[in-house]
Amino acid sequence: AQSVTQLDSQVPVFEEAPVELRCNYSSSVSVYLFWYVQYPNQGLQLLLKYLSGSTLVKGINGFEAEFNKSQTSFHLRKPSVHISDTAEYFCAVSPLREGAQKLVFGQGTRLTINP
Amino acid sequence: NAGVTQTPKFQVLKTGQSMTLQCAQDMNHEYMSWYRQDPGMGLRLIHYSVGAGITDQGEVPNGYNVSRSTTEDFPLRLLSAAPSQTSVYFCASSYSEGLSPLHFGNGTRLTVT
Repeated sequence: AQSVTQLDSQVPVFEEAPVELRCNYSSSVSVYLFWYVQYPNQGLQLLLKYLSGSTLVKGINGFEAEFNKSQTSFHLRKPSVHISDTAEYFCAVSPLREGAQKLVFGQGTRLTINP
Repeated sequence: NAGVTQTPKFQVLKTGQSMTLQCAQDMNHEYMSWYRQDPGMGLRLIHYSVGAGITDQGEVPNGYNVSRSTTEDFPLRLLSAAPSQTSVYFCASSYSEGLSPLHFGNGTRLTVT
């Protein structure tokens, strides 16, 4: 079985500051990794994904994440945040045999950007 | 192109009542699924379908039924609602199994009193 731990439930930052949202996972098999974003009163949108290849993946809206297999982590970063980045962010994994559909999600991190 | 449409947006039920949450997609996606979102627990998979006529259980299927008579629709039925089913429910779809990403609806907020 897989599990995902997002180490911070809430992260407040000032506008234009850098941010890192932390994600660790546990799995006995190889997994695909994802970050989804949920803006207020909306469904989830795919931010970025790691399937294979380069461990640094870039997503939409200037976000990037780095897969670290030895530390079983997939932290999300942005060098300079904007008010519009205020949202809840979810890290998720899926075993390779399950594709990108049967996701196991973390608890979510609420990112609040202050002016 | 509406994407994934869920109705209703909000619903209040009394314990023991039944209801159906509707989900429709207009992207000709083969794969559809239902998740529930609870505070501090992320999203958990309830049921999924890989095509019309085929459904299977996810992580938390108890108390829920599904069917998939058409490619477009994937309703979720609560036969006898319980307070533990108070949650936000999301429907998601993808073109197929494999590496196609999930597209989510905007959710249905259900309260069972």
